[in-house]
Amino acid sequence: EIVLTQSPATLSLSPGERATLSCRASQSVSIYLAWYQQKPGQAPRLLIYDASNRATGIPASFSGSGSGTDFTLTISSLEPEDFAVYYCQQRSNWPHTFGQGTRLEIK
Amino acid sequence: QITLKESGPTLVKPTQTLTLTCTFSGFSLSTSGVGVGWIRQPPGKALEWLALIYWDDDKRYSPSLKSRLTITKDTSKNQVVLTMTNTDPVDTATYYCAHYSSSYWFDPWGQGTLVTVSS
Repeated sequence: EIVLTQSPATLSLSPGERATLSCRASQSVSIYLAWYQQKPGQAPRLLIYDASNRATGIPASFSGSGSGTDFTLTISSLEPEDFAVYYCQQRSNWPHTFGQGTRLEIK
Repeated sequence: QITLKESGPTLVKPTQTLTLTCTFSGFSLSTSGVGVGWIRQPPGKALEWLALIYWDDDKRYSPSLKSRLTITKDTSKNQVVLTMTNTDPVDTATYYCAHYSSSYWFDPWGQGTLVTVSS
C-alpha cells in the first residue's frame, strides 16, 4: 500500500499570502495524484487531478505540480474561503490511498 | 448535474452488519469507464478509501477491510450498496460515496452519512 505523507500538518497564513502544501509518496505514483479541499461539515471537493490539472470550476489561484514521489499544491493568494483541510490521493496502485491532510488556518 | 446521496442507519450495535446505500443521478453505471466508490472519515480524522465498483462490475477493496466489505450495484435503480460485516466502534465515521469520473478521480462526492457503532 502506498503511503502519502502530507506536510505541514497545519499551516497558519494570512489572507493574501501564498500557500505551499506538500505531499510525498512512499513510492512513485507517476502523475496520478489529486488534491481535495474539505471545509467543516462538507464533503471533499476535487481541486487538482493528475498532479497539475484543475478540476472544473476551480480558480486559477490553485495550481499543482510534481511527479514521481513529490507533489505540491500552491494557492497563489489566499482568500478567506480557502482556509480548509487539504488532502492528496493517489491512484497509481490499489488501494487509492489518501494522505493525512494539511489544515490551512488563518493566522 | 451529478448528485449522490448516502442513506442507512445512524446507529448500529457492535458485531452487527452495516448496509449503506448510495443513490445517484446524472450518470449511468452502465457507461464505460464510470464507477462509484466509498470513502469514510472518522470524526476529526483523515479520509480512508474503502471500495470501488466499475460499470463492468469489476470491484476493488481496501486490503485491510476486504474480508468485511461487499460492494454491489443496481444499475436500474441507480444505486450502489456497501455492506460491512462485524462492525466495531472504530468503524464510527462519516461514510461518503463518490462518482468515479472518466478522469479516474472522485468527483463529485455525496454529502456523507454519519454512522455510530455503539452498544
